[in-house]
Amino acid sequence: GAGVSQTPSNKVTEKGKYVELRCDPISGHTALYWYRQSLGQGPEFLIYFQGTGAADDSGLPNDRFFAVRPEGSVSTLKIQRTERGDSAVYLCASSPTGLAGGGTGELFFGEGSRLTVL
Amino acid sequence: SQQGEEDPQALSIQEGENATMNCSYKTSINNLQWYRQNSGRGLVHLILIRSNEREKHSGRLRVTLDTSKKSSSLLITASRAADTASYFCATNDSGGGADGLTFGKGTHLIIQP
Repeated sequence: GAGVSQTPSNKVTEKGKYVELRCDPISGHTALYWYRQSLGQGPEFLIYFQGTGAADDSGLPNDRFFAVRPEGSVSTLKIQRTERGDSAVYLCASSPTGLAGGGTGELFFGEGSRLTVL
Repeated sequence: SQQGEEDPQALSIQEGENATMNCSYKTSINNLQWYRQNSGRGLVHLILIRSNEREKHSGRLRVTLDTSKKSSSLLITASRAADTASYFCATNDSGGGADGLTFGKGTHLIIQP
């Protein structure tokens, strides 16, 4: 497809379980971002990839959260030992070059993955 | 953390009226962007204004930026029911902060038909 694709769109899990969320960015976009959005709030930055490397992971809340982008395209956000406070919509965005790459910084967002931890 | 603060948090107006939303931020920026989010959907980029620009237009949208006051406004003219959504400002920090955009909490706009 032409846009950013995220799967699953909805995920319900139990406290303590492991979860993976997938993001397929727009083809050719080197920059990929993960955000988390709680109800009634704006998106909160988690991590930014430029190519295969995590250029900035300062937004990850703790070491239960980890993300990879092994081939510079698809990215997976991994959450270990989920807690009820992890419940949120996880948004992925991509851009052609990213902010640090001299781009305008316009982000193209996916529809998000809604995570509910019971 | 969230840098931008939108004001008001919620706004309800009649179709055809103009809607104005404000955003304040804290640090020096390279640019400021506005995004729209329909309920349950992803964000869509509306307009970008650079730190050396004061005003920008795109269709029914008008954005202003006052870097001395660290504030921006988004004006939607001749509103339509389809404009009902949440609107977020986002800043690109020039001070070496996180490479991601920093979003505000948003203004929820309701257009009454």
